[in-house]
Amino acid sequence: NAGVTQTPKFRVLKTGQSMTLLCAQDMNHEYMYWYRQDPGMGLRLIHYSVGEGTTAKGEVPDGYNVSRLKKQNFLLGLESAAPSQTSVYFCASHRDPGTDTQYFGPGTRLTVL
Amino acid sequence: GQSLEQPSEVTAVEGAIVQINCTYQTSGFYGLSWYQQHDGGAPTFLSYNALDGLEETGRFSSFLSRSDSYGYLLLQELQMKDSASYFCAVKDDYKLSFGAGTTVTVRA
Repeated sequence: NAGVTQTPKFRVLKTGQSMTLLCAQDMNHEYMYWYRQDPGMGLRLIHYSVGEGTTAKGEVPDGYNVSRLKKQNFLLGLESAAPSQTSVYFCASHRDPGTDTQYFGPGTRLTVL
Repeated sequence: GQSLEQPSEVTAVEGAIVQINCTYQTSGFYGLSWYQQHDGGAPTFLSYNALDGLEETGRFSSFLSRSDSYGYLLLQELQMKDSASYFCAVKDDYKLSFGAGTTVTVRA
């Protein structure tokens, strides 16, 4: 039982490049989330999904796209990376709204030059 | 939208007690959660209050007053391993909105 995993752990991009971050969970959770964490700002919700095939915008969705084709995977895409997207990205999941615990992945540290 | 305020830093000695306050203004509220994050690590769940009152889990306790839009996390018998950032988060249906975090430094 690996919990929530994220790929890659580190990445450096040049401005304008694209990439996809992969989040996978083996807990059969319905709900999955993507956050970004910047110094002094806590975690901010980018996009989330309430089940396979669904996605919704969070607090800071601009410049990102997501897909949830399979229940266990939630992908975050950057089509044209900008330096403002330099951040640590965390994926999280939880079973249903009645539970209070979100389980976080180890994070992806992204630098955009 | 959601707005949460918590102190940015707290320093205390081993064995001491630390209280981290969190005040919030929200459009929707189901409960208040607390997460711990060690430097370079992922946030991990500590506690959750949906109703007014005190919840105790070992050395950590969390309190909520819905009428005051206020909660706190109490860390007792501080240990060096408690040095970390602590985030309060408001649960609105199935989403969480996080505060900016409080960095707790424990000195020997």
